[in-house]
Amino acid sequence: GDSVTQMEGPVTLSEEAFLTINCTYTATGYPSLFWYVQYPGEGLQLLLKATKADDKGSNKGFEATYRKETTSFHLEKGSVQVSDSAVYFCALMEYNFNKFYFGSGTKLNVKP
Amino acid sequence: EADIYQTPRYLVIGTGKKITLECSQTMGHDKMYWYQQDPGMELHLIHYSYGVNSTEKGDLSSESTVSRIRTEHFPLTLESARPSHTSQYLCASSFPGTLNNEQFFGPGTRLTVL
Repeated sequence: GDSVTQMEGPVTLSEEAFLTINCTYTATGYPSLFWYVQYPGEGLQLLLKATKADDKGSNKGFEATYRKETTSFHLEKGSVQVSDSAVYFCALMEYNFNKFYFGSGTKLNVKP
Repeated sequence: EADIYQTPRYLVIGTGKKITLECSQTMGHDKMYWYQQDPGMELHLIHYSYGVNSTEKGDLSSESTVSRIRTEHFPLTLESARPSHTSQYLCASSFPGTLNNEQFFGPGTRLTVL
């Protein structure tokens, strides 16, 4: 079945460090891929998405490229800020089955 | 910004009480979902609906029930709350199509059962 695997956290970085959060997926068809962010005490917010292979999603300095050959959708940011501290979820939606699959979440702590 | 609302945001109740968690969206989305989020952060789908009068159980077995009488409203009910129901509950909605298909989330209800 379809699934999403993302790196375990917590990830702790200093401000202005480079961020990578790995995400790989298993899907039978042609999924859309998403990154969501959850700030403390809030629901999930869509951060970026990509709907087909080689698409790059980007928002607020974050970006991720849909790599079909490696079934990956790694999240990157060149210079993190304290305000980026949150939990990040990778997700996929399978077109044929119209169902969402979330990864287990990666907590990011950014220290000043 | 997504227009999906959940009330209450926080609820502390005693064992055995009946509770209803409210979820409403003003985006006209056909599909709505309830997730339970455990302290380890992982999301578990407990109920979903594809439209009015449609409700399905999700991947995680839950003692809660849902109803979908109106498109914009998807309440979740616990007939008799227990401490094991203590969790964060997140409501979400989406369009049924394949392009603009992301889920929009409400702010969540944090439930504590004593």
